This record gives sequence, structure tokens and C-alpha cells, in this order.
Amino acid sequence: EDQVTQSPEALRLQEGESSSLNCSYTVSGLRGLFWYRQDPGKGPEFLFTLYSAGEEKEKERLKATLTKKESFLHITAPKPEDSATYLCAVPGGTSYGKLTFGQGTILTVHP
Amino acid sequence: DAGVIQSPRHEVTEMGQEVTLRCKPISGHDYLFWYRQTMMRGLELLIYFNNNVPIDDSGMPEDRFSAKMPNASFSTLKIQPSEPRDSAVYFCASSFRDRGIEQYFGPGTRLTVT
Repeated sequence: EDQVTQSPEALRLQEGESSSLNCSYTVSGLRGLFWYRQDPGKGPEFLFTLYSAGEEKEKERLKATLTKKESFLHITAPKPEDSATYLCAVPGGTSYGKLTFGQGTILTVHP
Repeated sequence: DAGVIQSPRHEVTEMGQEVTLRCKPISGHDYLFWYRQTMMRGLELLIYFNNNVPIDDSGMPEDRFSAKMPNASFSTLKIQPSEPRDSAVYFCASSFRDRGIEQYFGPGTRLTVT
């Protein structure tokens, strides 16, 4: 069974304090790993797709990286507007579109 | 683009009543997904469609839940009869395969069953 585990569950940072969120996964035949951001009261917003180990993608203060067992979302010099829940997800081994989501990391950035 | 549209945004109903949630996917997208999100279980896929045809409904919790997609621009998720444990936020998402499998989510419907 596909499993996605995110850590930590919650992370509090001061503005400008860089850190990383972790997403470890167990899936047969990785066909991509997705990162989403979710603000309170809204649907998840797509951020990145990573397809192979060693791949990196960046968007503003966020950089996502992928290894064979886990992915990291690095946040450099975060701002209060980066506060949100960050979700990672992997597609099921044989079922296209059947994403398994992690429980998410709640990030709070204090000014 | 208007994005994925869901209605209603909030629904409060009594146990035993029928509930119908509605979704309009992004124009041109050929996949549509229904998810449920709760604090305890997180975000769970209920069912998804490709070109209006249900592909995988293994996440539908029980026979009280049903979903339809009569055309490319409209889908419904129905719960009959509703129970308090169905209280959750229900999301609809859509994607276009040729652009990878990134899914774009709607704003959700918050369902409360009393």
C-alpha cells in the first residue's frame, strides 16, 4: 500500500529563518511527487511536480528536491505570507490520477 | 480562467437528508476528481472520472455515496441518506493529462450534518 508521511506536523519559524519540510514515501514505481500549498478555507494549490531522483524545482522562496525515498521542500528566508499547510502526494502505482496525500505540515511564519 | 467551480460553498443539513454537491471543472480538462478532507483522515480521493466515465471509485465510503458526470462540464456527488460522520470538506479537482498529472482544486464545499 502506498504511504506518504510528512514531518514535522507543524513548524513555527521567524521571518527570515530558513528551514525544510520532509515528505517520505513508499510506492511501487514512482511516477511523480507533487507538492501543494493549502491556505485555510481554500483548496490545495499546485506548486511542483518532481519526476526523478536528483530533480529540483524552485518557485520564489521555495525549492523542492527529490531522492529515491523522500522529498524536501526548502523554504529560504520565509515571510509571513508563506504561512500555510504544505501537502505532498504521490500517484498510485497502477491507477492514473489516484493521488495519495500526506497529512501535511502546518507552517507558521511569525513577523 | 475561472478555475474549478463548486457549489454550494457551505451546506448544513440534518441526518437522513439527501445532499448534492456540484462541480464544474476547468474547460478542456479531461479528468475530474472528488476528494474529502477531514482532520482525522486528511485528504482522501473518493472517485475520479476520465472523459466523463468513472475510472476508480474504490474510495467511495459506502453505497450512500454516488457520483455522476453527465457531461464534460458538470459533475455531482450525492449522499443519501446523510450521516453526521459525513461532515467534512469536499473538494473537486480537474486535470489535463497532456500537461502532466497536476490536479487543480476547487474551493471546496463544507458539509455539516447535524
